[in-house]
Amino acid sequence: EVQLVESGGALVQPGRSLRLSCAASGFSFDDYAMHWVRQVPGKGLEWVSGISWNSGDITYADSVKGRFTISRDSAKNSLYLEMNSLRAEDTALYYCAKDIKGFNGYVFNSWGQGTLVTVSS
Amino acid sequence: DIQMTQSPSTLSASVGDRVTITCRASHSISSLLAWYQQKPGKAPNLLIFKASRLEIGVPSRFSGSGSGTEFTLTISSLQPDDFATYFCQQYNTHSPSFGGGTKVEIK
Repeated sequence: EVQLVESGGALVQPGRSLRLSCAASGFSFDDYAMHWVRQVPGKGLEWVSGISWNSGDITYADSVKGRFTISRDSAKNSLYLEMNSLRAEDTALYYCAKDIKGFNGYVFNSWGQGTLVTVSS
Repeated sequence: DIQMTQSPSTLSASVGDRVTITCRASHSISSLLAWYQQKPGKAPNLLIFKASRLEIGVPSRFSGSGSGTEFTLTISSLQPDDFATYFCQQYNTHSPSFGGGTKVEIK
C-alpha cells in the first residue's frame, strides 16, 4: 500500500524559511515523479512543484518560483520542499503527491494527509 | 496559464440521481484532464485521467467525457459515499491547474 507522510509544517513569520519532508513507502520511489500540491483549508487546490524520477526535470508554479526548492533523496525514499521568503499567501495545507509516471505527467494517484504551513507575524 | 472553470459550484442531489459536473478550460487541453474526489478532512482521490480513463478501483458509476475545452464528470446513480467535492485538473502544460470545485450535497 502506498503511503506518503508529510512533516515539517509550522507557524512561521513572514520572510522566514521552512523545510517540508515527505516519507514515501509501499512503492518503488525511484520510478515515479513526485509533487507538492497545496490547499487553503476549505478552498481550491494549487500545484506547487514537481520533480521527475531522476531529478532531471524540476518545475515550479510561478507563485513560488525563485523562493521554493524541491528535491528528493532515493536513499531515504523522501521528498522535500525548501520554502524561503515565506509570505502570508503561502499559508496552506501542503500535500505530497505521487505521479502516475516517472516523468512529470502531473496526474496524482496517491496523496499524503498534508502538513499545515501558517505564515503569520 | 490555463484557467479551469467548473459548474455548478454546489449541487444538491438525492441518492440514485444521475449527476453531471462540467469543467471548461480557457484553452484547448486535448484530453489531458483528470477528476478528483475530496471528502472533508481528507486528501483528494484520483477518479479519472485522460478525460475518460477510470483509475483502478474507482466504481463504474463514475464516467468522464470531453476533449478540447469542455469536459463532464457523470455519476450514473449517486450513492451515499459520493457526497463530496469534485475537482477537475488540466495537465496539458507544465503548469497544471485545478478547477474551483463542485460540492455535491444531499438534497
